[in-house]
Amino acid sequence: SQTIHQWPATLVQPVGSPLSLECTVEGTSNPNLYWYRQAAGRGLQLLFYSVGIGQISSEVPQNLSASRPQDRQFILSSKKLLLSDSGFYLCAWTQSGGNSPLHFGNGTRLTVT
Amino acid sequence: AQSVAQPEDQVNVAEGNPLTVKCTYSVSGNPYLFWYVQYPNRGLQFLLKYITGDNLVKGSYGFEAEFNKSQTSFHLKKPSALVSDSALYFCAVRDIGTGGFKTIFGAGTRLFVKA
Repeated sequence: SQTIHQWPATLVQPVGSPLSLECTVEGTSNPNLYWYRQAAGRGLQLLFYSVGIGQISSEVPQNLSASRPQDRQFILSSKKLLLSDSGFYLCAWTQSGGNSPLHFGNGTRLTVT
Repeated sequence: AQSVAQPEDQVNVAEGNPLTVKCTYSVSGNPYLFWYVQYPNRGLQFLLKYITGDNLVKGSYGFEAEFNKSQTSFHLKKPSALVSDSALYFCAVRDIGTGGFKTIFGAGTRLFVKA
């Protein structure tokens, strides 16, 4: 069966520090990968998605970037965090080319102080 | 552009009563529609989906949803609510007419089931 791992679960970082959140998927190949941000426990904002290694689509211009160095690895990064980067970050995957649902990791709660 | 609206921030229902969580959508082509549930400090869990065919779809934990193309709605329902159903519910749409890569979520509806 497929599983998705996302870490760390919680993170407190000072303004101006770098960020790296990692997500890996097991038990499938060539998944579509996604990063969402959830603010204040409500709606999800799509940040990035990837349909293959090295292929990144950005949905919202901001202080963040994403990379996909391996087929089942998706990384969210920032060079210098802003207070507004605080939130709940969710990684998700779905099978490519079909109508399958998204499968989410347990999320990372980022607090920028 | 695709969009999803969940008009109710919160829905309150007594245990044992039927519940409905509303969702309307807008897409340029044919939609794939989904419902997810989120418990505190966790990721979203898939409940059910509509792709094509029967307008009434059944999903996990006794939930079902009715697709109405003319009203562009996809309301979530359950005949008898449980206290454990209390959670945050999200409707989502994927526009297959634009490649089907992006899933867009509504703002969420918080469901409170009172014992």
